[in-house]
Amino acid sequence: GAVVSQHPSWVICKSGTSVKIECRSLDFQATTMFWYRQFPKQSLMLMATSNEGSKATYEQGVEKDKFLINHASLTLSTLTVTSAHPEDSSFYICSARPTGTGNYGYTFGSGTRLTVV
Amino acid sequence: QQPVQSPQAVILREGEDAVINCSSSKALYSVHWYRQKHGEAPVFLMILLKGGEQKGHEKISASFNEKKQQSSLYLTASQLSYSGTYFCGTVGSGNTPLVFGKGTRLSVIA
Repeated sequence: GAVVSQHPSWVICKSGTSVKIECRSLDFQATTMFWYRQFPKQSLMLMATSNEGSKATYEQGVEKDKFLINHASLTLSTLTVTSAHPEDSSFYICSARPTGTGNYGYTFGSGTRLTVV
Repeated sequence: QQPVQSPQAVILREGEDAVINCSSSKALYSVHWYRQKHGEAPVFLMILLKGGEQKGHEKISASFNEKKQQSSLYLTASQLSYSGTYFCGTVGSGNTPLVFGKGTRLSVIA
């Protein structure tokens, strides 16, 4: 149980374009999902908390107008990197945990490797 | 606030043991341990919810000292498949998100 599907696995885009990444909980509902970014040989840094039906909560230093998060349903959250630039190239990972299951760890999607050229 | 992990890296020969430590300056609700292989998403190993709790799966176990706000991951008789970067993640009270330490890179060699 507790499977999170993330698409695409990788994407290469031109500088200035926008990229959308999807994160779906397949067998559970998630009122809250989390988006992380990981640069090479570094830890996963939390970018934002996605809340179903309300605005996302962004961590300090993360531009909310650049990283648009939409959590339209209990099983889907999307991250759109707008006007991407080479410095946005990174590994983006979403995670979620079934509501009310304190004994479960957070399940991660398989990640999306974004390369901006 | 990011938990502190130590050591940053360790190299083991097959069959050797290792301990990875994780500490926080804030009160913890739970501690989570993950292993990440290069280019892949982190894989959940275990969660510790109560101070003093110890848990294990096969030859990997962990403990959580709530009072000291510390957790340790124990790898016994390491195998080549144990290689990867180990992250501890901590959750404070309430539905706060998981915050990861900087990771410990473990390499097991034959």
